[in-house]
Formats: sequence, C-alpha cells, structure tokens
Amino acid sequence: GIQVEQSPPDLILQEGANSTLRCNFSDSVNNLQWFHQNPWGQLINLFYIPSGTKQNGRLSATTVATERYSLLYISSSQTTDSGVYFCAARGSGGYQKVTFGIGTKLQVIP
Amino acid sequence: NAGVTQTPKFRVLKTGQSMTLLCAQDMNHEYMYWYRQDPGMGLRLIHYSVGEGTTAKGEVPDGYNVSRLKKQNFLLGLESAAPSQTSVYFCASSAGQGGSGNTIYFGEGSWLTVV
Repeated sequence: GIQVEQSPPDLILQEGANSTLRCNFSDSVNNLQWFHQNPWGQLINLFYIPSGTKQNGRLSATTVATERYSLLYISSSQTTDSGVYFCAARGSGGYQKVTFGIGTKLQVIP
Repeated sequence: NAGVTQTPKFRVLKTGQSMTLLCAQDMNHEYMYWYRQDPGMGLRLIHYSVGEGTTAKGEVPDGYNVSRLKKQNFLLGLESAAPSQTSVYFCASSAGQGGSGNTIYFGEGSWLTVV
C-alpha cells in the first residue's frame, strides 16, 4: 500500500512565527487530507486537498500530486495551533484504504 | 449537529473480557471506519465498511470484529481483550462519493485500558 511520511516529527515555535509541514507519499493519490489533533485528542479535518492549493484563515495547504508531496503552512502561529498534524493519503485505483502518517507534533510557546 | 458519536469514552477491562464500542453518525455517510491510535504509530485502520451490511479488514484486524447492521451504526467488538489492545479508538465516517465526499470526520475517541 501507499507509504506516507511526514516531516519534521517535532516542531517548537514561538508564537507569531510561521511554519511549513511536509507530507511525502509514495504513489499517486486520489485523496489527501490534513488533520489537526488538539491536546485533548480531538481530530479535526483541516483540508481535503488531493491537488492544488487551498487556504483557510492562517492555514493553507498545497499538494503537488505529480511530485508526490503536500505542504501545510501555518502563519502567525498561536498557542491554540499546538497539537499533532496528520497527513492522510489514499492511492488511486479501486478502493484503497486511507493511510495516515505518524504526524508532526507542534508546540507553540508564548 | 452530533456528527460522529462514540460510546463509551473510557473503559477499563480485565484481560479476557469482551466489550463492544458503538459508533453512530448522523450525516448519512456510506463509509465508516475504526482506527486505533498508539504512541508514535499514527492511526491504523482496524476495519471499515463501505455501506450497510458490509465490512472489510484494515491493517490490524486481529482480535476485533465489526458489524454494520444499520447505515448509521458501526460496532467494534473485542472478543477476548488483551493488554496489547490498550489504545485510543477512533471511529470515523465519510460520504464516500468522490471529491470532497472523501473528507473523513472523526468521533472524539474511546480510551480503552486492558489490565
């Protein structure tokens, strides 16, 4: 099945800083999503983005499907951005399961 | 708007006991999933369903059974709990009709400890 790798594994930011999280996947995808898991364990879908660019407030994401990577940008980070960010991808062709990366743990300090 | 609801939220089991986790979604989604989350391993798919009456194995199905008798419900059963099944379990659903219908919505998680 498809392999999903995320980097960096850990990230500490000063409040107000910007960051870029990366997700590499091993095969062509028809489904690529970014999730945020807050410190209480709740998983929230941020973007459904198998290709192209989307923006939602201070967050934006870009997927370059031909080069098999996706980037999540966080601008002007806030302490509420802390948590773990997961990338999840599903390969093309028939029904395949969605595979999650092991996440990037982000800590934003005041 | 409840979305995806899991019960129970917390449970402690003794080794060998059985239990069922219930997942309910009110979004009329076709696809439902059970994941487990363990430290350093992300989320791993246990079982999934692509519609009422269907189930299929995921990455880590051993020791678990599932049923989808009604479209809105997806049950996860542990027949004989083992300490290795101590984990946080997440139920999820998606419309499954392509495009943004692939967006996955998660429940709040169920913390299970097997002693």
